[in-house]
Amino acid sequence: KAGVTQTPRYLIKTRGQQVTLSCSPISGHRSVSWYQQTPGQGLQFLFEYFSETQRNKGNFPGRFSGRQFSNSRSEMNVSTLELGDSALYLCASRVTGGQAEAFFGQGTRLTVV
Amino acid sequence: AQKITQTQPGMFVQEKEAVTLDCTYDTSDQSYGLFWYKQPSSGEMIFLIYQGSYDEQNATEGRYSLNFQKARKSANLVISASQLGDSAMYFCAMREKSGGSNYKLTFGKGTLLTVNP
Repeated sequence: KAGVTQTPRYLIKTRGQQVTLSCSPISGHRSVSWYQQTPGQGLQFLFEYFSETQRNKGNFPGRFSGRQFSNSRSEMNVSTLELGDSALYLCASRVTGGQAEAFFGQGTRLTVV
Repeated sequence: AQKITQTQPGMFVQEKEAVTLDCTYDTSDQSYGLFWYKQPSSGEMIFLIYQGSYDEQNATEGRYSLNFQKARKSANLVISASQLGDSAMYFCAMREKSGGSNYKLTFGKGTLLTVNP
């Protein structure tokens, strides 16, 4: 069974540009969450999607957005990139119900220059 | 206030010895879940073990066990018989029931474990 797949693995963008990151969850998993990891702030929750609907959102500016498709694949978009957006972006998928654990992908490392 | 506190930025252990990684948490919920994840240098977060707040037994998964002390609000990870491949960052995380059907993990800052040969 394939794990969570995130593309691309590495990305370099310039300030002011926008970026789209992709996440394919484990087959059968309908919940997809996104996290930002930086050395200073650690791991922070961005948002969660389930059945193409955003169910929960972390404390991030509106420049961070996402969506989920009918096949549960999810994309995350960051507009007007800032240097501080440089981070490892992790996607996690899970089956719904109970306290099922989330399975993470290898992440996309975004560098903003 | 931090909801998950990991007080050990770094830990060293000799191969084949046991090591305990500390985690304390803060919540007013009665129903919550505690997780431990391992993050090697490749970046992927690997799920290790889960403890529910109502679980009476401490969780175990192979060489990993969770020492759950509810009154103290601690959920320490114990790794027995350490292996060189255990060298990684370890994160403690919590999901609170107050999130309802929403699923959001709150992570600690992590502990960098180094296993020496």
